[in-house]
Amino acid sequence: NAGVTQTPKFQVLKTGQSMTLQCAQDMNHEYMSWYRQDPGMGLRLIHYSVGAGITDQGEVPNGYNVSRSTTEDFPLRLLSAAPSQTSVYFCASSSTGTGGATSEAFFGQGTRLTVV
Amino acid sequence: GNSVTQMEGPVTLSEEAFLTINCTYTATGYPSLFWYVQYPGEGLQLLLKATKADDKGSNKGFEATYRKETTSFHLEKGSVQVSDSAVYFCALRQPSNTGKLIFGQGTTLQVKP
Repeated sequence: NAGVTQTPKFQVLKTGQSMTLQCAQDMNHEYMSWYRQDPGMGLRLIHYSVGAGITDQGEVPNGYNVSRSTTEDFPLRLLSAAPSQTSVYFCASSSTGTGGATSEAFFGQGTRLTVV
Repeated sequence: GNSVTQMEGPVTLSEEAFLTINCTYTATGYPSLFWYVQYPGEGLQLLLKATKADDKGSNKGFEATYRKETTSFHLEKGSVQVSDSAVYFCALRQPSNTGKLIFGQGTTLQVKP
């Protein structure tokens, strides 16, 4: 199994440009999330999804859009990139395990984004 | 609201030293608690977890006990190795079946030979 795959691994954008960070998982997980990692701040939740067609905002959603048209894919769109969006972005997935408890979260390798 | 606080880093230790990384949390109800590890240039990997009070999670020589009375989940290892050098994140998840995690700020551990 590939697990959680993120593309690209690195990206440089100019202020005002838009782009989509891709995330795909092959574990049939219903829960998927996007986090950003900034020095001294840990990981902060941007958006999450509990299933195809269902998304919701996390702690820091401004400037980002998501959609979930399939179970496998959960792309993150930057509408108009700003230097404050320079960060490392991680996608994660998990599922409802045995007994109804949520399984551990599996993370992608991350996308390092620089906005100049 | 829910939050996780970790001790400030970086932590620098010599090989075979004892490691403690403190983690405390604020949450309603009975969250699950996790330690994730991030090796350089990689994503996060689950190190250990505990889902109820007094549970002890353990893996690769690391241990942490879920202490509800002190709202803590401190990570310990008796003898660290150079290969343990990484960033360690404490996290909690509420039992709401959304998959959302709340992370502490991370603690960088450097182990010197």
